[in-house]
Amino acid sequence: GIQVEQSPPDLILQEGANSTLRCNFSDSVNNLQWFHQNPWGQLINLFYIPSGTKQNGRLSATTVATERYSLLYISSSQTTDSGVYFCAVYSSNTGKLIFGQGTTLQVKP
Amino acid sequence: EPEVTQTPSHQVTQMGQEVILRCVPISNHLYFYWYRQILGQKVEFLVSFYNNEISEKSEIFDDQFSVERPDGSNFTLKIRSTKLEDSAMYFCASSGRTGYGYTFGSGTRLTVV
Repeated sequence: GIQVEQSPPDLILQEGANSTLRCNFSDSVNNLQWFHQNPWGQLINLFYIPSGTKQNGRLSATTVATERYSLLYISSSQTTDSGVYFCAVYSSNTGKLIFGQGTTLQVKP
Repeated sequence: EPEVTQTPSHQVTQMGQEVILRCVPISNHLYFYWYRQILGQKVEFLVSFYNNEISEKSEIFDDQFSVERPDGSNFTLKIRSTKLEDSAMYFCASSGRTGYGYTFGSGTRLTVV
């Protein structure tokens, strides 16, 4: 099946810093989503981005489907950005949304 | 913004007991899913459901698990005889079409003691 690898596994930032999270996937996909899991365990959808670039406030994401990766950019990070960021991909071959292992982000004040 | 609602938010159960986790998907969505996340691990697919039947299931989803859409609005996951290793966060999700724009609920944290 499709392998989804996220890097780095852990990231510690000072408030105000920028960061880039990466998601590599092993096969072509029909859909890619980025999620933020907050400290209460909720999975918050950030982007649905099978290709191209999207921006939402301080967050933006780019997926290069032909090269099988996606990037999530966080600018001017805040303590509320802390949590785990998951990339998840869907392929019609598998018929399911498959998650990566996540990047755990800690933003310090 | 439409939400997927899950109840209860927390459940503690004795090993061997049956539990039913409940979900109300987004009203115009047709595809429904259950995922679980063991503490500190990644989110794992359990089952997908469309047109009143299971369309995909993982090897985790054995005979102890079942899903049902009893009344056109609720979507339930039943675990027949819980084991300690069933302790996890269980997420319900729905989408308007397969593979597109999943929305996840807030999860039910199940603790088996």
